[in-house]
Amino acid sequence: GQNIDQPTEMTATEGAIVQINCTYQTSGFNGLFWYQQHAGEAPTFLSYNVLDGLEEKGRFSSFLSRSKGYSYLLLKELQMKDSASYLCACMDSNYQLIWGAGTKLIIKP
Amino acid sequence: ETGVTQTPRHLVMGMTNKKSLKCEQHLGHNAMYWYKQSAKKPLELMFVYNFKEQTENNSVPSRFSPECPNSSHLFLHLHTLQPEDSALYLCASSQEGGGQGNDEQYFGPGTRLTVT
Repeated sequence: GQNIDQPTEMTATEGAIVQINCTYQTSGFNGLFWYQQHAGEAPTFLSYNVLDGLEEKGRFSSFLSRSKGYSYLLLKELQMKDSASYLCACMDSNYQLIWGAGTKLIIKP
Repeated sequence: ETGVTQTPRHLVMGMTNKKSLKCEQHLGHNAMYWYKQSAKKPLELMFVYNFKEQTENNSVPSRFSPECPNSSHLFLHLHTLQPEDSALYLCASSQEGGGQGNDEQYFGPGTRLTVT
C-alpha cells in the first residue's frame, strides 16, 4: 500500500533550527510537496521537490532522496509564527497526492 | 474575492438534514478537489473534477454528492450524514489536475462540519 510517515509532533525554540522528516512508499513518484497549515486555516504551499537534492527558499529548505524514499523540511531562525502543522504529500504514478498526517510544530520562546 | 473561498465556514446539521457546501475559485484553474480532514489523520481525497468532469471518486459514500457546474464552482451536497462524518471539509484547486508533477494545489479555508 501507499504510505507517508512523519512525526506527529515536534517542539523547538525560537531562533533555532528544526528538521521535519518524511518517509514515503508510493506506487510511482512524481514529486513531493510540503504544505504549512496554521490551526483553523487552509494548508498553504511551501515547496515541491522532484529531483534529489536541496531546494532553498528563504528560511525554509526542502531535501529529497528518491533512492531512500525520504524528504525533510528544514526551518531556520524559527519564529513564533512558524508554529503550525507541516504536511508532507507525495504524488504517485497517477498524479494523485498521498498525504501524511502532518507534524505539529510547537515553537517555544 | 481572491483565491479559493468556501461557504459556510461552520455547519451543524442533524442526521436527517440536507445541506450543501459551496466552493469557488478565482484563479482560473481547471481542476477542483474535495478533501476531508479529520484530527490527526491524513487528508482524504474525496472527489476530483477536471474541466467540470469528475475524474476521481475515492469510494466515498453516496450520502456525499458532488456537483461541478463550471470550472470555478464546486458543491458538496450532504444528506443523511453520520456523526463520524464530522470533520473539516477542504476545497482546493490547481491549474492542471493531472499529468503534471508540479501542480500546486490552492486550498480554501474549509467548512467545519458537525453532525449531531
